[in-house]
Amino acid sequence: AQRVTQPEKLLSVFKGAPVELKCNYSYSGSPELFWYVQYSRQRLQLLLRHISRESIKGFTADLNKGETSFHLKKPFAQEEDSAMYYCALRETSGSRLTFGEGTQLTVNP
Amino acid sequence: DAGVIQSPRHEVTEMGQEVTLRCKPISGHNSLFWYRQTMMRGLELLIYFNNNVPIDDSGMPEDRFSAKMPNASFSTLKIQPSEPRDSAVYFCASSPGTPRGYKETQYFGPGTRLLVL
Repeated sequence: AQRVTQPEKLLSVFKGAPVELKCNYSYSGSPELFWYVQYSRQRLQLLLRHISRESIKGFTADLNKGETSFHLKKPFAQEEDSAMYYCALRETSGSRLTFGEGTQLTVNP
Repeated sequence: DAGVIQSPRHEVTEMGQEVTLRCKPISGHNSLFWYRQTMMRGLELLIYFNNNVPIDDSGMPEDRFSAKMPNASFSTLKIQPSEPRDSAVYFCASSPGTPRGYKETQYFGPGTRLLVL
């Protein structure tokens, strides 16, 4: 069965510092990977997906099939990046998403 | 579009009571998902529907939980009887859905924060 692991429940960095939120997955097929973000008192929303290969709000994530990872990175963190981040996987065929446990990112001034 | 609508936004109830959570998906979306969010387990998929039909309910914790989708614009998640360990935030999400693969982004509602005393 597929599984998504985010090893850090809490991550704290200073403004301007680089940030990396780790995500590892296990799945035998070719997965589709996502990062969702939930800002305080807001609904969960899609941040980016690996097939788009885009940068959103300065964040990027590269799918590394060899390491089965999809880490989220930003070179210079901002205070407004403070939020809960979830990594999610979708199977090749199907619509259900499997989420990681989430990482609470705090960017300190 | 107002997005996915959930009601109530907050619910406090006593153990043993019946709880009904409601969701209105985005108009035109064919797939609907119910998730539960807790500090310990993060986000868990409970059940999802496609064209009002339950496709996968393997995440439903136990028989106390049931979900229905009587039409394309409404779904309910019911807990009867409720227990303190059911306290969580329950999210509903919808996606456009396609005849093959349903490879669409999911749009989440604001969630219902449930507290069972």
